[in-house]
Amino acid sequence: NAGVTQTPKFQVLKTGQSMTLQCAQDMNHNSMYWYRQDPGMGLRLIYYSASEGTTDKGEVPNGYNVSRLNKREFSLRLESAAPSQTSVYFCAGSSDRGRNEQFFGPGTRLTVL
Amino acid sequence: RKEVEQDPGPFNVPEGATVAFNCTYSNSASQSFFWYRQDCRKEPKLLMSVYSSGNEDGRFTAQLNRASQYISLLIRDSKLSDSATYLCVAVSGSSYKLIFGSGTRLLVRP
Repeated sequence: NAGVTQTPKFQVLKTGQSMTLQCAQDMNHNSMYWYRQDPGMGLRLIYYSASEGTTDKGEVPNGYNVSRLNKREFSLRLESAAPSQTSVYFCAGSSDRGRNEQFFGPGTRLTVL
Repeated sequence: RKEVEQDPGPFNVPEGATVAFNCTYSNSASQSFFWYRQDCRKEPKLLMSVYSSGNEDGRFTAQLNRASQYISLLIRDSKLSDSATYLCVAVSGSSYKLIFGSGTRLLVRP
């Protein structure tokens, strides 16, 4: 089992460019999440998906869109990247049974120039 | 005020020492709590859940004090490999969104 995988690992964009971050899980998780992590800020929830076909905004959704393509895949899109979106992005999944332990992918380091 | 607050540290301790971290949370409706460990430039990994009665996993002990709204993590007999950032996490009220603290950095020296 690969767990939660993310691509790419690193990306550099220019302001205004668009890109999609990919996330896939083989843990049969119903729920999936996208976070960003900035120094001194901790992890902040961008969007989440409680099940295939549903998505909801988290704490910092502005400038992002998401797609829950199927149960395995949850993508995050930046339509017009801004320097403020320079961050490390983590995808996570959880089974929702019990206490909602979440399991994270290895992250994507994004720099927007 | 942040919903989950932690002392950022760093805590610098010698091998074999016992070290404790505290974390406070502001949402009294939070029901579930966790400690995650994050190594430099890596993803957070679940260390342990925190149960109301307190729980232990090897050298690690987690405690929850609902009256004072704080969570603690005790590490006994510290190893060099324990050096990492420890993230305190609360499940937000009745939802399943995790609220992360900013983390406490631990450095264990030889």
